[in-house]
Amino acid sequence: AQSVTQPDIHITVSEGASLELRCNYSYGATPYLFWYVQSPGQGLQLLLKYFSGDTLVQGIKGFEAEFKRSQSSFNLRKPSVHWSDAAEYFCAVGLNTGFQKLVFGTGTRLLVSP
Amino acid sequence: DTAVSQTPKYLVTQMGNDKSIKCEQNLGHDTMYWYKQDSKKFLKIMFSYNNKELIINETVPNRFSPKSPDKAHLNLHINSLELGDSAVYFCASSIGRKDTYEQYFGPGTRLTVT
Repeated sequence: AQSVTQPDIHITVSEGASLELRCNYSYGATPYLFWYVQSPGQGLQLLLKYFSGDTLVQGIKGFEAEFKRSQSSFNLRKPSVHWSDAAEYFCAVGLNTGFQKLVFGTGTRLLVSP
Repeated sequence: DTAVSQTPKYLVTQMGNDKSIKCEQNLGHDTMYWYKQDSKKFLKIMFSYNNKELIINETVPNRFSPKSPDKAHLNLHINSLELGDSAVYFCASSIGRKDTYEQYFGPGTRLTVT
């Protein structure tokens, strides 16, 4: 069965430090990959997505992610974290079934320390 | 302007009651979704409608009944509420049913069953 794993439940990063959030997926074909962010009390917002082509994708708010087929990973990165980045981050796989069906990971909560 | 709105934002009710959550999107999208986010933040799709047609119906108790009166609205009615129904319910929409389309999420409805 398709699954998405985010191994880190919580991560604390100092403001200004770099960030990497891990995401691994299990899926037979090349999936469509997404990262969403959920700020406290808010709905989810799309940060970036990967369908094909260049494996390094740029998103909003200075985030980027790299698709590595050999590792079945799609890790999210940011070179310098801001306090406003504190939120819950979800990796998701879009199953190529002909219509939208996202399978989400369990999320990683990012805490930013001063 | 709110793109995807949900009412109510909070809903506290007793076991056995029947309640509805409403969702409206003003993006002109064709496809809408209901997700359930449990206390561990795990997000799972429940239903999806495309042009008022049900296209995804996950393993959800039949106490849950979605209704789409038009493309801009997708309501969720829950009969005989149980303690395990307590969760945050998110509505989302996308421009179409293809897997590559971004989903836009509402702010969520926090349902508490006592």
